[in-house]
Amino acid sequence: KQEVTQIPAALSVPEGENLVLNCSFTDSAIYNLQWFRQDPGKGLTSLLLIQSSQREQTSGRLNASLDKSSGRSTLYIAASQPGDSATYLCAVTSGTYKYIFGTGTRLKVLA
Amino acid sequence: EPEVTQTPSHQVTQMGQEVILRCVPISNHLYFYWYRQILGQKVEFLVSFYNNEISEKSEIFDDQFSVERPDGSNFTLKIRSTKLEDSAMYFCASSFVYEQYFGPGTRLTVT
Repeated sequence: KQEVTQIPAALSVPEGENLVLNCSFTDSAIYNLQWFRQDPGKGLTSLLLIQSSQREQTSGRLNASLDKSSGRSTLYIAASQPGDSATYLCAVTSGTYKYIFGTGTRLKVLA
Repeated sequence: EPEVTQTPSHQVTQMGQEVILRCVPISNHLYFYWYRQILGQKVEFLVSFYNNEISEKSEIFDDQFSVERPDGSNFTLKIRSTKLEDSAMYFCASSFVYEQYFGPGTRLTVT
């Protein structure tokens, strides 16, 4: 049974820092991995999708990498800003097409 | 850009009442999903729907839940007799193959 874990659960950093969020999964046979952002009480905003054949994806200040064999993905945020404060979720698909979500990392960027 | 829409954004209902949550998926998508997120917890898969039938459901999706695609555009989730523990954010998603697009969610409050 696929399980997704995100570390750390919460992170507080000063503005301008580069930071790394981690996601690990137990079954390496995935179709893709997707990172989302969720603001309090709001929906899911897709950030980056990495297909199983890819190793990384970039969008602006965000870079996500995927290492299937070790069951890990990292989301790198460069030059963090207070507007980046949110919960970041990773989700994987494997076997059937459903997404299995991690518990999230709650990020606070201090001005 | 096409998007998944959900109505209502917030629904308040009394315990024991029936509720129907509505979703309009992206028009050329083939797979449809419902997820829920209880406050403070992870996003959980409820059910997937393909070719006018349920393709997979989780343990949460018991006989109180049903899904329907009544007219080729809407996708609904019905909860027959709501319980307090059904209070959550419910997300609809659709996909052509693997990548899922999520709606903004319906917040269901059962009193």
